[in-house]
Amino acid sequence: QVTLKESGPVLVKPTETLTLTCTVSGFSLSNARMGVSWIRQPPGKALEWLAHIFSNDEKSYSTSLKSRLTISKDTSKSQVVLTMTNMDPVDTATYYCARILKDGDCCTWFDPWGQGTLVTVSS
Amino acid sequence: SYELTQPPSVSVSPGQTARITCSGDALPKQYAYWYQQKPGQAPVLVIYKDSERPSGIPERFSGSSSGTTVTLTISGVQAEDEADYYCQSADSSGTLWVFGGGTKLTVL
Repeated sequence: QVTLKESGPVLVKPTETLTLTCTVSGFSLSNARMGVSWIRQPPGKALEWLAHIFSNDEKSYSTSLKSRLTISKDTSKSQVVLTMTNMDPVDTATYYCARILKDGDCCTWFDPWGQGTLVTVSS
Repeated sequence: SYELTQPPSVSVSPGQTARITCSGDALPKQYAYWYQQKPGQAPVLVIYKDSERPSGIPERFSGSSSGTTVTLTISGVQAEDEADYYCQSADSSGTLWVFGGGTKLTVL
């Protein structure tokens, strides 16, 4: 059974750096057909893709947040870490990690997702 | 930046057919994916590669593509299908991924 679980602080102060960890089980981060992505959802709003990483360490970031995001992985620990600098109240959201399934060069999708973790940015 | 456009809401009566559209300039080139999200839960994949259905997803869920628009169709809608639905795809380069704004499906 594939599972992903997000962990990290529930409350951060403005200007602080957020560090979130996604711990996966049921698949390996060294699998060439899989990766992990981070996605967030502000309360009552739509999903927003943030970043992804694949087994070959290929990474990609949302254009609007690229300067603030860093994604990395520790294959031996089955963990993917996302850091977001200079947090602001508008970054208050539920942060999800999701497994990426890759089918050739054309097709990638998210399945399954973690339960999500709500991060509130407030002083 | 690339955007996918969905109607904010769709309403249908039980047993009817619901159609949710998603429009984007790169959709003729990139596949689309659909996710169902019920209140307080994480999204669940219901359609991948425009029209493929994952195992465990009821047959009443189907997807199609035509030009710059993809459509999620739910035939014989049930009360349990009431949820938010999001389309997802990539820009023309395939490197930047994006979600639509979401459509709230209400079962009357």
